[in-house]
Amino acid sequence: AQTVTQSQPEMSVQEAETVTLSCTYDTSENNYYLFWYKQPPSRQMILVIRQEAYKQQNATENRFSVNFQKAAKSFSLKISDSQLGDTAMYFCAFRYSGNTPLVFGKGTRLSVIA
Amino acid sequence: GAGVSQTPSNKVTEKGKYVELRCDPISGHTALYWYRQSLGQGPEFLIYFQGTGAADDSGLPNDRFFAVRPEGSVSTLKIQRTERGDSAVYLCASSLSGGLAEAFFGQGTRLTVV
Repeated sequence: AQTVTQSQPEMSVQEAETVTLSCTYDTSENNYYLFWYKQPPSRQMILVIRQEAYKQQNATENRFSVNFQKAAKSFSLKISDSQLGDTAMYFCAFRYSGNTPLVFGKGTRLSVIA
Repeated sequence: GAGVSQTPSNKVTEKGKYVELRCDPISGHTALYWYRQSLGQGPEFLIYFQGTGAADDSGLPNDRFFAVRPEGSVSTLKIQRTERGDSAVYLCASSLSGGLAEAFFGQGTRLTVV
């Protein structure tokens, strides 16, 4: 069974600074898909960034980027120039193929401080 | 609609009662997922539909939980003989096919069993 571990229950960062959220996973699959989702207090999960394990290049979406280390089974999220609106729960998620369900970590609560 | 719609937003029910939670996915999305999220936890998979059929119901905790998607669009999660431990936020998501496909989430139904 696949598992996703987020070892930081809570983090805080000053506005405009950079923060990195960690995520590790366990799988025996060779190709799979990794995601970071954001959940603000409104409860709606929003996709932040995604990566296919087959691709070596780290994904980037504006201020959000990942550091994907396949051998180490690590998929960390870096948020640059943090904004107050980035305050939310962040969940790392894994999918091993096709439309199989996402497996989520327990989340990291990020607070951006003015 | 523009996004995934879940009704009701909140539901309070007495222990032992029957409840139905509705999910209206994005039009054209063949995959539909139900998750349960307890306080401070990541979403846990319950059941996944591909079209009208349940492709994977391995996450349903027991036979009090059942879900249908009769016409391949709207889905209903049904819980019989509710227990206080069923209290959680129930999330629905839909997506197109493909491993990297984004799962779009609704805002969830907060179920409270008293």
